[in-house]
Amino acid sequence: SQQGEEDPQALSIQEGENATMNCSYKTSINNLQWYRQNSGRGLVHLILIRSNEREKHSGRLRVTLDTSKKSSSLLITASRAADTASYFCATDNYGQNFVFGPGTRLSVLP
Amino acid sequence: ETGVTQSPTHLIKTRGQQVTLRCSSQSGHNTVSWYQQALGQGPQFIFQYYREEENGRGNFPPRFSGLQFPNYSSELNVNALELDDSALYLCASSPWDSGTEAFFGQGTRLTVV
Repeated sequence: SQQGEEDPQALSIQEGENATMNCSYKTSINNLQWYRQNSGRGLVHLILIRSNEREKHSGRLRVTLDTSKKSSSLLITASRAADTASYFCATDNYGQNFVFGPGTRLSVLP
Repeated sequence: ETGVTQSPTHLIKTRGQQVTLRCSSQSGHNTVSWYQQALGQGPQFIFQYYREEENGRGNFPPRFSGLQFPNYSSELNVNALELDDSALYLCASSPWDSGTEAFFGQGTRLTVV
């Protein structure tokens, strides 16, 4: 079963707007990672946030983690058409494998 | 570029056949994991290899098997292919250190007809 659940399943915004995606999970985690996938190709690692961290930034990306609510959010600011992709959260619950959610499909319209 | 390479990129097989997919891990990474991603779904963990031994397995039948070689590259073998095995197969490499990033290859798109 998938631990992470992204929300919304699909998101459509205009270029320049911000995009926010959420991820919920069920068990305690060691860390949580966000990945991007373009057109069914490989996963590109975006950012890792550890369980003792609350927020991390990387360029136009901002990730938050609330372990009390077992949730995380990914914010993409000033979106571009090139940000169009599927975004997945993956939890590492002290094992050696990641558990992925079904993903959020983001469409950024020019 | 992640440094993780998979081959082939696309493959078409007939039901009942066997297939071998290959993965070269990123330099310095001794752990390789395989994932299956059906269309429209998130990746599902198949198994992981560390120091040439299986180190964890997801909910996949024994006809899914693997190998890891001394140079840390890996193979995924699937016997008696079924139509539902059609998917994108992803390989991820990482150092043996829980809590670090895993880097994925571009995947192999397997179609079973």
